[in-house]
Amino acid sequence: QVQLVQSGAEVKKPGSSVKVSCKASGGALTKYTLSWVRQAPGQGLEWMGRIIPILNTSNYAQKFQDRVTISADKSTSTAYMELSSLRYEDTAVYYCAKDQSAFDIWGQGTLVTVSS
Amino acid sequence: SYELTQPLSVSVALGQTARITCGGDNIASKNVHWYQQEPGQAPVVVIYRDNNRPSGIPERFSGSNSRNTATLTISRTQAGDEADYYCQVWDSTTSNWVFGGGTKLTVL
Repeated sequence: QVQLVQSGAEVKKPGSSVKVSCKASGGALTKYTLSWVRQAPGQGLEWMGRIIPILNTSNYAQKFQDRVTISADKSTSTAYMELSSLRYEDTAVYYCAKDQSAFDIWGQGTLVTVSS
Repeated sequence: SYELTQPLSVSVALGQTARITCGGDNIASKNVHWYQQEPGQAPVVVIYRDNNRPSGIPERFSGSNSRNTATLTISRTQAGDEADYYCQVWDSTTSNWVFGGGTKLTVL
């Protein structure tokens, strides 16, 4: 059974970038599509984008198109989500999720706090 | 872009049936997934492709999808069912996943 383990919490300054990792254990990352979803405090789920590692292709929600990069290292079964030009409103929990029709497996979430 | 509309909150008496709706233009033409999220936890899929339950999800959870509304039904509601619920569809026009705004279920 695949598990997704994310990197730890981050505190970043406005204007900087953050890179969150998501390591797949128990199965090769290349078998799956992987999505990133964020949730601001007290708010709902917001899809950011996804990657198909075996094809090395990504697509993004229009809202994040200019600021997000999703990548994958097949050799380590690790996916990454990098968000640039951080704003206070980017403070949220960021999740990776295995995207196989529904999102059947989720990482534990990574809290990113944007603070001066 | 495609939009999904959910009620902010639904209340149900213990042991009764809760119904959470998800509205969208011709949503019946799409596969709808439903997630349950408890405070501080990652979401868990409770219904996929309109009316399918993953292993481990009680039979009390069911789904339907017709015309412009998909519905998550929770029968014999328990206190442990209190959570936020989200619907989700794939928008093939934009190649984006779309989530509803979420519904907070309160069990009275």
